[in-house]
Amino acid sequence: DQQVKQNSPSLSVQEGRISILNCDYTNSMFDYFLWYKKYPAEGPTFLISISSIKDKNEDGRFTVFLNKSAKHLSLHIVPSQPGDSAVYFCAASGEASGSRLTFGEGTQLTVNP
Amino acid sequence: DTGVSQNPRHKITKRGQNVTFRCDPISEHNRLYWYRQTLGQGPEFLTYFQNEAQLEKSRLLSDRFSAERPKGSFSTLEIQRTEQGDSAMYLCASSPTTPVEYEQYFGPGTRLTVT
Repeated sequence: DQQVKQNSPSLSVQEGRISILNCDYTNSMFDYFLWYKKYPAEGPTFLISISSIKDKNEDGRFTVFLNKSAKHLSLHIVPSQPGDSAVYFCAASGEASGSRLTFGEGTQLTVNP
Repeated sequence: DTGVSQNPRHKITKRGQNVTFRCDPISEHNRLYWYRQTLGQGPEFLTYFQNEAQLEKSRLLSDRFSAERPKGSFSTLEIQRTEQGDSAMYLCASSPTTPVEYEQYFGPGTRLTVT
């Protein structure tokens, strides 16, 4: 049962343009949604999160949008930079799921100079 | 560097052998988590500790797997009688008892290859 899904295994964008990464979830009990970035040979690095009571959270070039009715969230990166090239994981958590993070499969973002 | 550290970074073993991995969390973090990541998938939760108490175990954690955190600091994950299906990246993460945004901080992982 894949409770968090990222349907796009890869995304390629030009430097300076917007990157939009998508994530869908099925468990309405999730309270928090997080995005992690992973470079090769490193562990995932926390990027940004959003509470289920909000619909938008912004941090510099990164903005996460949450649509609870659609059980969908997205990460926008503007402007995209070559250093943003990495695998991005969507994750969800909440009191109902204990302390575990439930991850999606990941999306490989490539930003071309 | 005060991040999460894991040792070894790579381990190659033959099927049937036992292996043990170590994780040192961020020093002020009370919670410690183990995840497993296979190719093309996101990390999957295995177990977590609050100080020295193991509070939750995933059904992925078969009888051949055991984790300890004896003094509430570092943790070890042991796999007995390894199988080829155990080949994966094993990730450790830590967090404060009440993380502000449920964030967890990950180590670089131990890549296990079972031949």
